[in-house]
Amino acid sequence: AQSVTQPDIHITVSEGASLELRCNYSYGATPYLFWYVQSPGQGLQLLLKYFSGDTLVQGIKGFEAEFKRSQSSFNLRKPSVHWSDAAEYFCAVYTGGFKTIFGAGTRLFVKA
Amino acid sequence: SAVISQKPSRDICQRGTSLTIQCQVDSQVTMMFWYRQQPGQSLTLIATANQGSEATYESGFVIDKFPISRPNLTFSTLTVSNMSPEDSSIYLCSVRQGANTGELFFGEGSRLTVL
Repeated sequence: AQSVTQPDIHITVSEGASLELRCNYSYGATPYLFWYVQSPGQGLQLLLKYFSGDTLVQGIKGFEAEFKRSQSSFNLRKPSVHWSDAAEYFCAVYTGGFKTIFGAGTRLFVKA
Repeated sequence: SAVISQKPSRDICQRGTSLTIQCQVDSQVTMMFWYRQQPGQSLTLIATANQGSEATYESGFVIDKFPISRPNLTFSTLTVSNMSPEDSSIYLCSVRQGANTGELFFGEGSRLTVL
């Protein structure tokens, strides 16, 4: 069965430090992959997506993610975190049909 | 990208009552989705609502508890019926646009607290 695993429930980084949020998926073929961000009291906003082609994708707000087929991973990165990046981040997989599978989410805390 | 408005943004409800959440999209979309996000949890799909047909419910969700309307291509409602404290959640409306790539757009959610 398809699944998405975000191993880190929460992560704390200092402002200005680099960030990597992990995401692993389980699917027999290459899925469509997404990262969404949910700020407090808000809905989800798409950060970036991978469909095919270049395995390093750029998104909004300075985020990027790298698709690694051999590791079934799609980790999200940012070189320098800002206090406004504090939010919940969801990795998601779309495998066709109607359903998108979301990971459990990783809450990012940013300390001054 | 679609702009989605949900009402109410939050509400406090009494046990046993029902509440209807509205979702308005600024463009015509075929597929609309309703998700539930329980406190500290990820998103769980409740149902898929296509205009002109009955909603398709996921396992664990039933029409009597979560009736959905989809009268046109820009609007949908989700009713949470006979609420209990376990229904306290954020309910999110979502749409998919364009090619079948799975990219979703979300409303800001409706945060329900049931006392």
